[in-house]
Amino acid sequence: GENVEQHPSTLSVQEGDSAVIKCTYSDSASNYFPWYKQELGKGPQLIIDIRSNVGEKKDQRIAVTLNKTAKHFSLHITETQPEDSAVYFCAAGRGGNEKLTFGTGTRLTIIP
Amino acid sequence: GAVVSQHPSRVICKSGTSVKIECRSLDFQATTMFWYRQFPKQSLMLMATSNEGSKATYEQGVEKDKFLINHASLTLSTLTVTSAHPEDSSFYICSATGQGAGNEQFFGPGTRLTVL
Repeated sequence: GENVEQHPSTLSVQEGDSAVIKCTYSDSASNYFPWYKQELGKGPQLIIDIRSNVGEKKDQRIAVTLNKTAKHFSLHITETQPEDSAVYFCAAGRGGNEKLTFGTGTRLTIIP
Repeated sequence: GAVVSQHPSRVICKSGTSVKIECRSLDFQATTMFWYRQFPKQSLMLMATSNEGSKATYEQGVEKDKFLINHASLTLSTLTVTSAHPEDSSFYICSATGQGAGNEQFFGPGTRLTVL
């Protein structure tokens, strides 16, 4: 089955700086890679996703890159703000109605 | 994005009782729903996958007779924790996907279950 590793487990950055979270996956059949933001006591919120036919996707301050050869993908948050503080999860799957395998999460803290 | 709701948001019950959690897709038809359990400061653990009108597929190690899942319509799935015990206390989260959701998985707000 799929195995997703995520690093770092905690990350603190100064407000305005950039944050990068990295994930690796093992199943070469995976072709869908979403990122979720989870605030305390709430369900995960989809913030961006990428499919295997593209190498990069950007949405305002958030971008995701994918390297299928190396089986890794990364989340980039620029110009960080205090409201970006949360736990971020990467996931990998085959898309459609197939299940996702989640990484272990990164607790991001933005220091004002 | 698509909207998924869960009810109740929080429930406290006595050991030995059963608890039912509802998951609804509000603005799309969910052909598939997933149920997860999350312990404090841990990742999401998939419990089972349910497709509308068919039996759920449980992950290894999840007792199907203890965690009953029903996906009777394209907008509703239920998880019933039978004979709950304190070790079942956790945060239960559902997600849903379907063509109306761009085949992306959207999560509900979660249900905090506390078994006394």
